[in-house]
Amino acid sequence: NAGVTQTPKFQVLKTGQSMTLQCAQDMNHEYMSWYRQDPGMGLRLIHYSVGAGITDQGEVPNGYNVSRSTTEDFPLRLLSAAPSQTSVYFCASSYYAGSGYTFGSGTRLTVV
Amino acid sequence: DAKTTQPPSMDCAEGRAANLPCNHSTISGNEYVYWYRQIHSQGPQYIIHGLKNNETNEMASLIITEDRKSSTLILPHATLRDTAVYYCIVRVSPGSGNTPLVFGKGTRLSVIA
Repeated sequence: NAGVTQTPKFQVLKTGQSMTLQCAQDMNHEYMSWYRQDPGMGLRLIHYSVGAGITDQGEVPNGYNVSRSTTEDFPLRLLSAAPSQTSVYFCASSYYAGSGYTFGSGTRLTVV
Repeated sequence: DAKTTQPPSMDCAEGRAANLPCNHSTISGNEYVYWYRQIHSQGPQYIIHGLKNNETNEMASLIITEDRKSSTLILPHATLRDTAVYYCIVRVSPGSGNTPLVFGKGTRLSVIA
């Protein structure tokens, strides 16, 4: 099993550009989430999904869209990048609500 | 989810037990205590979770007080590789809801040689 795979690992965007951060897991996990972590800060929840076709907002959803068309993939789309979205983005998945989450290695995004 | 309170930082000598406290005085009866850690810029790593009984696995032990208002994560023989930020999270019981993990600021544990 590859676990949770995030691509790209690093990305630089210009203000106003859009892009999609990819997240894929091969563990047949139903629950998937996206977090962002700003320098020196804790993780904040952006969006999450409890299964294919079902998504919901977390603490900081503005400026981001998600979709969950398959169990394996949970992409995060930045609609119009802003410098405030410079952060490290982590994707996580778990088999069910109460089990331990497996995190990806992160995508480091810089918006200039 | 109930909120948790953790000290911002702690030190521990290498080879000694690291005891990380967490207060969760407003925890509800159906909420579990979870512990994760994050080693420098890596993704968080699940450690252990429990409801009211003490739990142990290959990584750590979790001691929950009888009134469930606080808990302690114990790393029995801390090594330099255990230096990380440790997060205590309280959330609803497995399978009973869709509430995802919500992270606080955690405790930065420094293991010193």
